[in-house]
Amino acid sequence: EADIYQTPRYLVIGTGKKITLECSQTMGHDKMYWYQQDPGMELHLIHYSYGVNSTEKGDLSSESTVSRIRTEHFPLTLESARPSHTSQYLCASSDAGRYYGYTFGSGTRLTVV
Amino acid sequence: KQEVTQIPAALSVPEGENLVLNCSFTDSAIYNLQWFRQDPGKGLTSLLLIQSSQREQTSGRLNASLDKSSGRSTLYIAASQPGDSATYLCAVETSGSRLTFGEGTQLTVNP
Repeated sequence: EADIYQTPRYLVIGTGKKITLECSQTMGHDKMYWYQQDPGMELHLIHYSYGVNSTEKGDLSSESTVSRIRTEHFPLTLESARPSHTSQYLCASSDAGRYYGYTFGSGTRLTVV
Repeated sequence: KQEVTQIPAALSVPEGENLVLNCSFTDSAIYNLQWFRQDPGKGLTSLLLIQSSQREQTSGRLNASLDKSSGRSTLYIAASQPGDSATYLCAVETSGSRLTFGEGTQLTVNP
């Protein structure tokens, strides 16, 4: 049973639209992450947060933005979607003590047409 | 900069075979190492987590070992089944709570 939830599972949207990908976790983890993964390729960290009101950019430059107003919620927003944003977006969380490792959501597969 | 390498990139075996997947990392200053499974188009499922002070972890038919000093980990799968077919990813956590992933081993188990 998943403790971290991503919605929508699939999204097809037109160029120029604003979209928000949702990620919520019920484990009380302070640390949350967004990864981007193209089919058959590596995962790249695009954003992370160590707690409420904390957000940082990851290793891969991204035009997306994130917010962390509540511990359990870490949404990712694209102000103006482009075909180059077509990818899978994976959300993850981890506990501060590193006892349980990382838990990933099922992902959102985004297609921008 | 931490680099993680997984060998082989792809593996095809008949059902019932025991197999070993390899993972190596360049910086031994890790907090833990985690093995994941990813089915096509899906998210990652955690299989095993090994803390830096541990040498191995077991779950069912899976056994993962860690040799931090040499920068190596192996994932052993016993009596493989077609349902084991997936991509297996190794990831190490370093300072700053950053996960570095390998490129994965794509496993196919043939009935």
